[in-house]
Amino acid sequence: GENVEQHPSTLSVQEGDSAVIKCTYSDSASNYFPWYKQELGKRPQLIIDIRSNVGEKKDQRIAVTLNKTAKHFSLHITETQPEDSAVYFCAASIPDSWGKLQFGAGTQVVVTP
Amino acid sequence: NAGVTQTPKFRVLKTGQSMTLLCAQDMNHEYMYWYRQDPGMGLRLIHYSVGEGTTAKGEVPDGYNVSRLKKQNFLLGLESAAPSQTSVYFCASSRGQVRNTEAFFGQGTRLTVV
Repeated sequence: GENVEQHPSTLSVQEGDSAVIKCTYSDSASNYFPWYKQELGKRPQLIIDIRSNVGEKKDQRIAVTLNKTAKHFSLHITETQPEDSAVYFCAASIPDSWGKLQFGAGTQVVVTP
Repeated sequence: NAGVTQTPKFRVLKTGQSMTLLCAQDMNHEYMYWYRQDPGMGLRLIHYSVGEGTTAKGEVPDGYNVSRLKKQNFLLGLESAAPSQTSVYFCASSRGQVRNTEAFFGQGTRLTVV
């Protein structure tokens, strides 16, 4: 089955700097790659997603890039702010899998003022 | 709309006790899921359902049972709780289409088995 690895497990950045989280997946059939943000004690919430027919997607300070050949995708957060501090999860899903998601282990991002 | 609601939010069980976690969604979603979240392991799928009356096993189904008698509800049961089932449990739902769509999560249930 699908396996998703996520790095780094923790990331400390200064406010205003950029943060990058990388994930690799094993199943070349995967075609949907969402990113979820989970604040302390809260539920995971979707922040951005990308499909395999697209190489990059942006939403304000957040961007995701996908390299299908290398089977990896990355989350980029620019101009980080204290409210970006959270755990971020990447996930992958294959077609015809009833929306099942295989999650990475998560990255704890700490933005220091 | 409340979205996805889980009951209860917290629970402490003794080893061997049983309990049921309730998940309710008001978005008319077809697909529903139960995940468990453990430190350093992300979210792992326990069971899922693609429609009323249907259930299937996920990645870590042992020790759990589920039922989906009504489209809006998805129940997760622990028949004989074990300390290894101490975790945070999240229910999620999605529209249910050929094309994968966003999964909406409940607020979580923190379960401790002593």
